[in-house]
Parts: sequence; C-alpha cells; structure tokens
Amino acid sequence: AQKVTQAQTEISVVEKEDVTLDCVYETRDTTYYLFWYKQPPSGELVFLIRRNSFDEQNEISGRYSWNFQKSTSSFNFTITASQVVDSAVYFCALYSGNTPLVFGKGTRLSVIA
Amino acid sequence: GAGVSQSPSNKVTEKGKDVELRCDPISGHTALYWYRQSLGQGLEFLIYFQGNSAPDKSGLPSDRFSAERTGGSVSTLTIQRTQQEDSAVYLCASSFPAVNTGELFFGEGSRLTVL
Repeated sequence: AQKVTQAQTEISVVEKEDVTLDCVYETRDTTYYLFWYKQPPSGELVFLIRRNSFDEQNEISGRYSWNFQKSTSSFNFTITASQVVDSAVYFCALYSGNTPLVFGKGTRLSVIA
Repeated sequence: GAGVSQSPSNKVTEKGKDVELRCDPISGHTALYWYRQSLGQGLEFLIYFQGNSAPDKSGLPSDRFSAERTGGSVSTLTIQRTQQEDSAVYLCASSFPAVNTGELFFGEGSRLTVL
C-alpha cells in the first residue's frame, strides 16, 4: 500500500530561520514519483517539485531545497531564511502510476515576523 | 480557462439535503480528480476520471456520493442526504493526458458545511 507520513503537524519559526519539513513514504513499487505541494491560505494547492525514484540527486531552487534518500524512504523539504509568505500548509505526496496521488496529512508552517 | 474552476466556493446546507459541486478543469486536461480535505486531515482521494470514464471510484466513502463527467470536461460531485461528517473542503484537480507524471493542477475548492 502507498502511504505518506508527515509527522510534524504544525511548526512555528521566526522569520529568517531555516526550517525542515519531514516526509516519509512507503511503497512497494520501484518506480514512483514524490511531490511537494504548498497550500496557502487561499486554499489552492500549488505544485512545488516532483522527483522520480531513480534520481536521488538533491535539488535546490532559490531558498527551497529537497533531500531525497531512498535508504530511509524520506523526501525532506528545507526552506532557508524563511519569510512570512512561506506560511502555508505543505503536503508531501507519492505517485506510482497504479494509484492516484497519495498525500500526507500536511504540515502547517507559520513564519512569524 | 486559465485554471481549474470550482463552484460554489462555499455551500451551507441542512442535514439530509442533496448538494452538487461543480468542477471545470483546465482546457485540454483529460484526467480529473476529486479529493476531500477535512479539518486537520490530509487530502483524501475520492474518484478519478480519464475522459468521461471513472476507472477508480475506490475512494468514494459511501453510496451517497456519486460523480459524473460529461463531454470530457466539466464534472459534478453529488452528495445525497448529506450528513455532518460530510463537512469538508472538496478539491478538484486536473492533469495532462500523460498522467504518469502525477502533477495535478488544483482548484480552490468548495467548502461544504452541513448543519
């Protein structure tokens, strides 16, 4: 069965601090994709990143970076120098082609000025 | 349209009434998904359409829930005899035919409150 666990329900940080959002996944498929989505207060989920299971190279995009480790089945997301606009609920998700996108329960990030 | 459009954005109804939620996907997207987001919960998959057919209805929580899609475009999610536990935000998403990338484009959701 596909499963995504985001153990952190809520995180609060002060602006300019770095923060890491954890994501652990379970799947028996060898080919799969991992995602992060951001849900700002407006409610619309916004796609942030997609990684496939064969590419463990970490990725950096501006203040965002992602650490994919198959050995620990984790796909963690780090925001460097957080800003108030980063406040949102962040969802990690898993797709293997056999089932629809499976989401974790999300982590609510609050960045305080 | 430019994005996935959902209506109504907010719906308050009395227990036992039927409701219809509408989703208008991005033009050209053949795959359409319905998810439910309850307070404090993640996104719960409900149903998926490829064109007008629904190969995966496994997430529908009960027979009070149904969905259809006509013309490969607009979809309607119907909840009959609503219950208080149906209160949630219902999110619709669409994607390109190459669904194997898994990237979905979401609407802003329809918030349903059952009194």
